[in-house]
Amino acid sequence: DAGVIQSPRHEVTEMGQEVTLRCKPISGHNSLFWYRQTMMRGLELLIYFNNNVPIDDSGMPEDRFSAKMPNASFSTLKIQPSEPRDSAVYFCASSSAVVGHGYGYTFGSGTRLTVV
Amino acid sequence: DQQVKQNSPSLSVQEGRISILNCDYTNSMFDYFLWYKKYPAEGPTFLISISSIKDKNEDGRFTVFLNKSAKHLSLHIVPSQPGDSAVYFCAYPGGGSEKLVFGKGTKLTVNP
Repeated sequence: DAGVIQSPRHEVTEMGQEVTLRCKPISGHNSLFWYRQTMMRGLELLIYFNNNVPIDDSGMPEDRFSAKMPNASFSTLKIQPSEPRDSAVYFCASSSAVVGHGYGYTFGSGTRLTVV
Repeated sequence: DQQVKQNSPSLSVQEGRISILNCDYTNSMFDYFLWYKKYPAEGPTFLISISSIKDKNEDGRFTVFLNKSAKHLSLHIVPSQPGDSAVYFCAYPGGGSEKLVFGKGTKLTVNP
C-alpha cells in the first residue's frame, strides 16, 4: 500500500488566489481527516469525514475553507481566497476506526502552503 | 482551550541516556492516549498507546506511563538514539472515538 497520498507537496501562491489540496486515503479506510500544523497552534483538526460524509467541520477556520470527499478514494481541501495567515503544513490522515484502544491514524506527508 | 498540553517545546539528551517527554491533560473522560512521532518533511506516525485501565505500556525502548490522579502522561525512551530525534505529540480522542486532539509537540534532539 502506498499510504496516504497528498498533492502537491509544496504550494506557493499569491494572496487572493484559490488553493486546492488533494488527498488519496488508504484503500479500505473509512475515515479521513484534514489537519493543519502551525507553530502557534500545533496540529489542529479542520474537518473529518466518515464514509465520505462530513462529520465534524468545527475546526474549519472560516468560510474561505471548504472540503469535499466525492468518493472513498479522494478528498480536497480548498481555500478561496487564500491569505498569508493560511500558510501552514496541511496534513491528511485516514483510519479504519475500531472501537477500543490503540488505533491510530495514517498520515500523509503533508502539503506545505505558503501564501505571499 | 487546549485539552492536552506539552509544556516543553524542546528537549535535548545524550545518546544512551533516558528521554522523558511529558503531557498533561484536563479531560478525564478518555479511553486511551497515543503518542505520535514526526520527522521533518513527513507526516506523524503512530508510536505507542496506553489504555485508561492501565498505568504502563511498554514496547521495546519506549514506555508510556499514565498517572490518572495527576492527569499526566509521560513517554520514556531508553536508551535514546540519534534516530529518535523528532517531534513527539501526545494525543487523545476528543469528542468521540475518532477525532484525535493533539498536543503542540516536543522536539527531541538526541546528541551522539
